[in-house]
Amino acid sequence: AQSVTQPDIHITVSEGASLELRCNYSYGATPYLFWYVQSPGQGLQLLLKYFSGDTLVQGIKGFEAEFKRSQSSFNLRKPSVHWSDAAEYFCAVGAPGAGSYQLTFGKGTKLSVIP
Amino acid sequence: DTAVSQTPKYLVTQMGNDKSIKCEQNLGHDTMYWYKQDSKKFLKIMFSYNNKELIINETVPNRFSPKSPDKAHLNLHINSLELGDSAVYFCASSQARLAGSYEQYFGPGTRLTVT
Repeated sequence: AQSVTQPDIHITVSEGASLELRCNYSYGATPYLFWYVQSPGQGLQLLLKYFSGDTLVQGIKGFEAEFKRSQSSFNLRKPSVHWSDAAEYFCAVGAPGAGSYQLTFGKGTKLSVIP
Repeated sequence: DTAVSQTPKYLVTQMGNDKSIKCEQNLGHDTMYWYKQDSKKFLKIMFSYNNKELIINETVPNRFSPKSPDKAHLNLHINSLELGDSAVYFCASSQARLAGSYEQYFGPGTRLTVT
């Protein structure tokens, strides 16, 4: 079974600073990888996804993530954080294969932004 | 138009009651899900339906019963509510393809409080 680890429970950055949120996964083959963001009181919004191909994927709101097979990682980055980026971020892994629809989520990283 | 909608947004009820949460998606997807998010923000899959058939049924009490009248709707009925059922319940949908799991789109969530 797949699993996801987000080592940082809470990260605080200053507005304008760069950001990297860590995500490590466990899966026997190449998984499908996702980052979602949850603003307070809201549902989850898909930021970006990796299925195959280029290991650097671009998402919405200026976010990008890089898949590193050797490190089993899929870290999320943003060069300059905005106050509106304060939210909870979830990494998720999906198992490819016919009939497999399950996403496994990490426990989330809460991002606080100092003005 | 809202892609995945849930009603109600808030639900406060007493222990022992029976309640339902409704979910509708207008994305034309063929797979729908229910997730539970606990007080620590941990998201866990509960059920998944594909073309009105149950395909994922994680270990949840049988007091929880999903019902899918058609591909666009997946309702969650909960009998004999308990304090531990208090959580945010998210509905999601996706379009399954031959190779397996793909991005899921989430509703805004239903905050259930059992007193």
